[in-house]
Amino acid sequence: DGGITQSPKYLFRKEGQNVTLSCEQNLNHDAMYWYRQDPGQGLRLIYYSQIVNDFQKGDIAEGYSVSREKKESFPLTVTSAQKNPTAFYLCASSPHIPRTGETEQYFGPGTRLTVT
Amino acid sequence: AQRVTQPEKLLSVFKGAPVELKCNYSYSGSPELFWYVQYSRQRLQLLLRHISRESIKGFTADLNKGETSFHLKKPFAQEEDSAMYYCALGGTGKLIFGQGTTLQVKP
Repeated sequence: DGGITQSPKYLFRKEGQNVTLSCEQNLNHDAMYWYRQDPGQGLRLIYYSQIVNDFQKGDIAEGYSVSREKKESFPLTVTSAQKNPTAFYLCASSPHIPRTGETEQYFGPGTRLTVT
Repeated sequence: AQRVTQPEKLLSVFKGAPVELKCNYSYSGSPELFWYVQYSRQRLQLLLRHISRESIKGFTADLNKGETSFHLKKPFAQEEDSAMYYCALGGTGKLIFGQGTTLQVKP
């Protein structure tokens, strides 16, 4: 069940600490995405990247940062500025650079982050 | 503004009953609609997309531009259909997801 991997599965941090979530894909996909999944709120887009060394803010980027130095990797840092960081984080990738249309997104298994 | 609305948080039916998961969207351009499904302990995955007009696991969805809807239907629900279902809107360079509907199929 490879393709997109996220690590770790569970992550615990103290309030005030930055934490980085890993996302790697071996599908040779151009685009990668980070979502946050909260009960009753669906999936909300944090950041996305359509090509290496470029990324755009999604709907809830405040308190988060990303990098895309390699095609296969798109790590997400949850900073201490994120007011409500405890959530389930999903990474996804898609095979083409979205322009006017969309292609299927492939999702990772997720990381559950708990901040206390 | 682009938006996807799934009005039901939970839909509970008995095995063999028809199922309809509602999805309405708001988008002024040419929409691309998808249904994604998340079974227990599994990854979120694509169920179907409107451009392919195919039936997957007995599910179908028709894009109704007049009513701006993309409801997911299945004539006879099975227990293995129990999952979280998300409707998603594309055509904007990114996907916009609805809040999700949990489908519970009781034996």
